[in-house]
Amino acid sequence: GAVVSQHPSWVICKSGTSVKIECRSLDFQATTMFWYRQFPKQSLMLMATSNEGSKATYEQGVEKDKFLINHASLTLSTLTVTSAHPEDSSFYICSAMDGTGTDTQYFGPGTRLTVL
Amino acid sequence: GENVEQHPSTLSVQEGDSAVIKCTYSDSASNYFPWYKQELGKGPQLIIDIRSNVGEKKDQRIAVTLNKTAKHFSLHITETQPEDSAVYFCAASFDTGRRALTFGSGTRLQVQP
Repeated sequence: GAVVSQHPSWVICKSGTSVKIECRSLDFQATTMFWYRQFPKQSLMLMATSNEGSKATYEQGVEKDKFLINHASLTLSTLTVTSAHPEDSSFYICSAMDGTGTDTQYFGPGTRLTVL
Repeated sequence: GENVEQHPSTLSVQEGDSAVIKCTYSDSASNYFPWYKQELGKGPQLIIDIRSNVGEKKDQRIAVTLNKTAKHFSLHITETQPEDSAVYFCAASFDTGRRALTFGSGTRLQVQP
C-alpha cells in the first residue's frame, strides 16, 4: 500500500516550452501533496504544498506563476513548469500524505527534467 | 522556521559493521522525525520514523533514537549489507499547519563488501 507514482519519469524539452508533471496516489486518497526539487548531490527543497480543492502554498522564493500546481482530486496533483529554462533542469519529486491524521509522507519516484 | 543538521555527510563502513547517522533540529515544536533512504535516480523511501512521545523505535536492523531535550535523533543500522549503500536523509515536522518536512543535508553511506 501507500504507492505514489509520477509521470513522466524523465522529460527533455526546449527552452521556452511548458512541461506538466503528474503525481498520483494509487491506493489512498491524498488530502495533501507536496512538491520538492532536488539538485544533484543535494537535499530535497520544498517548493509548495498542495491541498485538494484549494490553491497551493508556495515556499519563499518559488515563483507561483512559473511553477503552476493543481490538486484537482484526492489522487492527482500536477506541477506545470511554464516557459522552462535550462536553470529549471532538476529532479522534481512529489509526496503525498493521507488523511488519517498521521504525518507519514510517501514519495513518488521523481521526474528528471532537462531543459535544452 | 525549522532547521535540520545532519552528520556525517559521507560514511564508509565494512559489511557487517554498524552505521550511525545523527541529526539535530532547531524547532522544539517538531514532533515527527522520519528517515528516508534514496537510491540514485529514485525517490526517497521511508525506512523508519519516530514521534516525540517515543524515545526509541526498532525495525529489524534499523533503529532510531530521539532525545527531545537535546533536540537530536539518530539512525542506527546494524549488520550493514552492500545493499544498504545509498543516501540517507533525516527530516522533521510538526503535526499542525501544513506539516511539511524539513530535510537534513543527507548522508552518503557506502558499505564495503
